[in-house]
Amino acid sequence: EVQLLESGGGLVQPGGSLRLSCAASGFTFSTYAMTWVRQAPGRGLEWVSTLSRNGGSSYSTDSVKGRFTISRDNSKNTLFLQMDSLRVEDTAVYYCARSDVVASTPNYWGRGTLVTVSS
Amino acid sequence: QSALTQPASVSGSPGQSITISCTGTSSDVGNYNLVSWYQQHPGKAPKLLIFEVSKRPSGVSYRFSGTKSGNTASLTISGLQTDDGADYYCCSYAGSTTLLVFGTGTKVTVL
Repeated sequence: EVQLLESGGGLVQPGGSLRLSCAASGFTFSTYAMTWVRQAPGRGLEWVSTLSRNGGSSYSTDSVKGRFTISRDNSKNTLFLQMDSLRVEDTAVYYCARSDVVASTPNYWGRGTLVTVSS
Repeated sequence: QSALTQPASVSGSPGQSITISCTGTSSDVGNYNLVSWYQQHPGKAPKLLIFEVSKRPSGVSYRFSGTKSGNTASLTISGLQTDDGADYYCCSYAGSTTLLVFGTGTKVTVL
Protein backbone atom coordinates (compact mmCIF):
# COMPACT_ATOMS: atom_id res chain seq x y z
CA GLU A 1 0.00 0.00 0.00
CA VAL A 2 1.29 3.43 -0.98
CA GLN A 3 1.81 5.65 2.05
CA LEU A 4 3.05 9.22 2.29
CA LEU A 5 3.50 10.73 5.74
CA GLU A 6 4.31 14.41 6.09
CA SER A 7 5.88 15.95 9.18
CA GLY A 8 7.63 19.12 10.29
CA GLY A 9 4.76 21.59 10.23
CA GLY A 10 4.10 24.05 13.01
CA LEU A 11 3.91 27.69 14.04
CA VAL A 12 6.66 30.01 12.82
CA GLN A 13 7.10 33.77 12.76
CA PRO A 14 7.25 35.73 9.50
CA GLY A 15 10.76 35.59 8.11
CA GLY A 16 11.43 32.27 9.80
CA SER A 17 12.27 28.85 8.38
CA LEU A 18 10.78 25.39 8.50
CA ARG A 19 11.73 22.05 6.95
CA LEU A 20 9.00 19.63 5.93
CA SER A 21 9.60 15.92 5.43
CA CYS A 22 7.58 13.28 3.63
CA ALA A 23 8.32 9.63 4.40
CA ALA A 24 7.29 7.32 1.58
CA SER A 25 6.56 3.60 1.71
CA GLY A 26 4.80 0.90 -0.29
CA PHE A 27 6.44 1.73 -3.62
CA THR A 28 9.88 2.20 -5.18
CA PHE A 29 10.43 5.83 -4.21
CA SER A 30 13.33 6.47 -6.56
CA THR A 31 11.26 5.71 -9.67
CA TYR A 32 8.67 8.45 -9.12
CA ALA A 33 8.63 12.22 -9.35
CA MET A 34 7.41 13.90 -6.17
CA THR A 35 5.40 17.06 -5.62
CA TRP A 36 4.38 19.46 -2.84
CA VAL A 37 0.89 20.99 -3.02
CA ARG A 38 -0.55 23.39 -0.45
CA GLN A 39 -4.01 24.46 0.61
CA ALA A 40 -4.55 27.68 2.56
CA PRO A 41 -7.38 27.59 5.13
CA GLY A 42 -10.72 27.50 3.34
CA ARG A 43 -9.04 27.82 -0.05
CA GLY A 44 -8.26 25.61 -3.03
CA LEU A 45 -5.24 23.53 -3.94
CA GLU A 46 -2.06 25.22 -5.17
CA TRP A 47 0.94 23.54 -6.76
CA VAL A 48 4.17 24.44 -4.94
CA SER A 49 7.08 22.40 -6.27
CA THR A 50 8.00 19.18 -8.13
CA LEU A 51 11.21 17.16 -8.17
CA SER A 52 12.30 14.56 -10.71
CA ARG A 53 13.09 10.96 -9.80
CA ASN A 54 16.82 11.45 -9.35
CA GLY A 55 16.52 14.97 -7.94
CA GLY A 56 18.25 16.47 -10.94
CA SER A 57 15.36 18.67 -12.09
CA SER A 58 13.14 20.83 -9.90
CA TYR A 59 10.24 23.14 -10.66
CA SER A 60 8.50 25.69 -8.42
CA THR A 61 5.68 28.18 -8.56
CA ASP A 62 6.84 31.79 -8.88
CA SER A 63 5.70 32.84 -5.39
CA VAL A 64 8.15 30.46 -3.67
CA LYS A 65 11.13 30.66 -6.01
CA GLY A 66 14.23 31.73 -4.13
CA ARG A 67 12.60 30.92 -0.77
CA PHE A 68 11.60 27.22 -0.91
CA THR A 69 13.88 24.33 -1.91
CA ILE A 70 12.63 20.86 -2.74
CA SER A 71 14.98 17.91 -2.33
CA ARG A 72 14.94 14.16 -1.78
CA ASP A 73 16.98 11.35 -0.27
CA ASN A 74 16.25 8.23 -2.29
CA SER A 75 18.29 6.09 0.11
CA LYS A 76 15.86 7.04 2.89
CA ASN A 77 12.67 7.25 0.79
CA THR A 78 12.13 10.80 1.95
CA LEU A 79 11.10 14.05 0.28
CA PHE A 80 11.88 17.44 1.80
CA LEU A 81 10.74 21.03 1.48
CA GLN A 82 13.03 23.65 3.01
CA MET A 83 11.01 26.82 3.51
CA ASP A 84 12.88 30.06 4.24
CA SER A 85 11.77 33.70 4.50
CA LEU A 86 8.27 32.52 5.34
CA ARG A 87 5.35 34.91 4.85
CA VAL A 88 1.90 35.02 6.39
CA GLU A 89 0.47 33.99 3.01
CA ASP A 90 2.44 30.72 3.14
CA THR A 91 0.08 29.52 5.88
CA ALA A 92 -1.48 26.30 4.59
CA VAL A 93 -1.70 22.56 4.84
CA TYR A 94 1.19 21.17 2.81
CA TYR A 95 0.59 17.88 1.02
CA CYS A 96 3.22 15.54 -0.35
CA ALA A 97 2.11 13.77 -3.53
CA ARG A 98 3.49 11.19 -5.93
CA SER A 99 3.51 11.55 -9.71
CA ASP A 100 4.55 8.95 -12.27
CA VAL A 101 6.82 11.43 -14.03
CA VAL A 102 7.45 15.18 -13.85
CA ALA A 103 5.05 15.80 -16.75
CA SER A 104 2.03 14.27 -15.07
CA THR A 105 -0.49 15.00 -12.34
CA PRO A 106 -0.27 13.51 -8.82
CA ASN A 107 -1.84 10.12 -8.15
CA TYR A 108 -1.29 9.54 -4.44
CA TRP A 109 -1.39 12.10 -1.66
CA GLY A 110 -0.34 12.22 1.99
CA ARG A 111 -2.60 13.56 4.73
CA GLY A 112 -0.74 16.86 4.97
CA THR A 113 1.00 18.93 7.62
CA LEU A 114 -0.13 22.37 8.77
CA VAL A 115 2.23 25.32 8.52
CA THR A 116 1.13 28.50 10.29
CA VAL A 117 3.11 31.70 9.75
CA SER A 118 2.10 34.29 12.31
CA SER A 119 3.59 36.73 14.78
CA GLN B 1 -0.65 31.12 -14.62
CA SER B 2 -4.25 31.49 -13.44
CA ALA B 3 -6.26 28.76 -11.76
CA LEU B 4 -8.60 26.70 -13.89
CA THR B 5 -12.21 27.85 -13.58
CA GLN B 6 -14.78 25.60 -11.94
CA PRO B 7 -18.31 26.39 -10.71
CA ALA B 8 -18.27 27.15 -7.00
CA SER B 9 -21.08 24.72 -6.26
CA VAL B 10 -23.20 22.02 -7.87
CA SER B 11 -26.05 20.12 -6.28
CA GLY B 12 -28.22 17.15 -7.10
CA SER B 13 -30.56 14.60 -5.57
CA PRO B 14 -29.57 11.00 -4.88
CA GLY B 15 -29.59 8.96 -8.08
CA GLN B 16 -29.23 11.97 -10.36
CA SER B 17 -26.25 12.84 -12.53
CA ILE B 18 -24.24 16.03 -12.25
CA THR B 19 -21.41 17.48 -14.33
CA ILE B 20 -18.61 19.75 -13.16
CA SER B 21 -16.75 21.82 -15.72
CA CYS B 22 -13.11 22.88 -15.62
CA THR B 23 -12.12 25.64 -18.04
CA GLY B 24 -8.53 26.45 -18.79
CA THR B 25 -6.60 27.75 -21.79
CA SER B 26 -4.73 26.48 -24.81
CA SER B 27 -1.61 26.44 -22.61
CA ASP B 28 -2.92 23.85 -20.20
CA VAL B 29 -6.20 21.92 -20.57
CA GLY B 30 -6.38 22.50 -24.32
CA ASN B 31 -2.80 21.51 -24.98
CA TYR B 32 -2.36 18.30 -22.99
CA ASN B 33 -4.42 15.20 -22.28
CA LEU B 34 -3.11 15.36 -18.73
CA VAL B 35 -6.16 16.41 -16.75
CA SER B 36 -6.97 14.80 -13.42
CA TRP B 37 -9.89 15.08 -11.04
CA TYR B 38 -9.71 14.78 -7.26
CA GLN B 39 -12.31 14.36 -4.53
CA GLN B 40 -11.65 15.91 -1.13
CA HIS B 41 -13.76 15.38 1.96
CA PRO B 42 -13.36 17.95 4.78
CA GLY B 43 -10.09 17.55 6.63
CA LYS B 44 -8.93 14.76 4.33
CA ALA B 45 -6.34 14.38 1.61
CA PRO B 46 -7.43 14.61 -2.02
CA LYS B 47 -8.23 11.31 -3.72
CA LEU B 48 -7.60 10.70 -7.41
CA LEU B 49 -10.79 9.95 -9.36
CA ILE B 50 -9.77 10.46 -13.00
CA PHE B 51 -6.38 10.83 -14.72
CA GLU B 52 -5.38 11.58 -18.31
CA VAL B 53 -8.83 13.11 -18.97
CA SER B 54 -10.93 9.95 -18.80
CA LYS B 55 -9.05 7.07 -17.14
CA ARG B 56 -10.20 5.67 -13.81
CA PRO B 57 -7.70 4.28 -11.29
CA SER B 58 -8.33 0.84 -9.92
CA GLY B 59 -10.94 0.96 -7.18
CA VAL B 60 -12.70 4.14 -8.33
CA SER B 61 -16.40 3.70 -9.07
CA TYR B 62 -17.58 3.60 -12.70
CA ARG B 63 -20.03 6.34 -11.67
CA PHE B 64 -17.19 8.84 -12.13
CA SER B 65 -16.29 9.71 -15.72
CA GLY B 66 -14.24 12.40 -17.44
CA THR B 67 -14.20 14.07 -20.83
CA LYS B 68 -12.54 17.01 -22.54
CA SER B 69 -13.46 19.35 -25.37
CA GLY B 70 -11.10 22.12 -26.36
CA ASN B 71 -10.05 24.08 -23.28
CA THR B 72 -12.74 22.59 -21.03
CA ALA B 73 -12.65 19.31 -19.13
CA SER B 74 -15.67 17.84 -17.38
CA LEU B 75 -16.34 15.37 -14.60
CA THR B 76 -19.69 13.58 -14.50
CA ILE B 77 -20.95 11.80 -11.41
CA SER B 78 -23.84 9.47 -12.19
CA GLY B 79 -26.16 7.83 -9.68
CA LEU B 80 -25.33 10.49 -7.08
CA GLN B 81 -24.83 9.11 -3.58
CA THR B 82 -24.72 10.81 -0.18
CA ASP B 83 -21.00 10.13 0.18
CA ASP B 84 -20.33 12.02 -3.06
CA GLY B 85 -20.88 15.25 -1.13
CA ALA B 86 -17.37 16.74 -1.11
CA ASP B 87 -15.10 19.24 -2.83
CA TYR B 88 -13.85 18.39 -6.31
CA TYR B 89 -10.75 19.79 -8.01
CA CYS B 90 -9.44 19.46 -11.53
CA CYS B 91 -5.74 19.67 -12.30
CA SER B 92 -3.88 20.03 -15.58
CA TYR B 93 -0.27 19.76 -16.64
CA ALA B 94 0.72 23.17 -17.99
CA GLY B 95 4.18 22.77 -19.46
CA SER B 96 7.74 22.88 -18.17
CA THR B 97 7.54 26.35 -16.60
CA THR B 98 4.31 26.30 -14.61
CA LEU B 99 4.15 22.57 -14.21
CA LEU B 100 0.69 22.10 -12.71
CA VAL B 101 -2.41 24.25 -12.38
CA PHE B 102 -5.40 23.37 -10.22
CA GLY B 103 -9.03 24.34 -10.56
CA THR B 104 -10.79 26.71 -8.20
CA GLY B 105 -12.76 23.82 -6.70
CA THR B 106 -16.43 22.82 -6.70
CA LYS B 107 -18.50 21.95 -3.67
CA VAL B 108 -20.96 19.17 -4.45
CA THR B 109 -24.06 18.98 -2.30
CA VAL B 110 -26.31 15.94 -2.32
CA LEU B 111 -29.80 17.19 -1.54
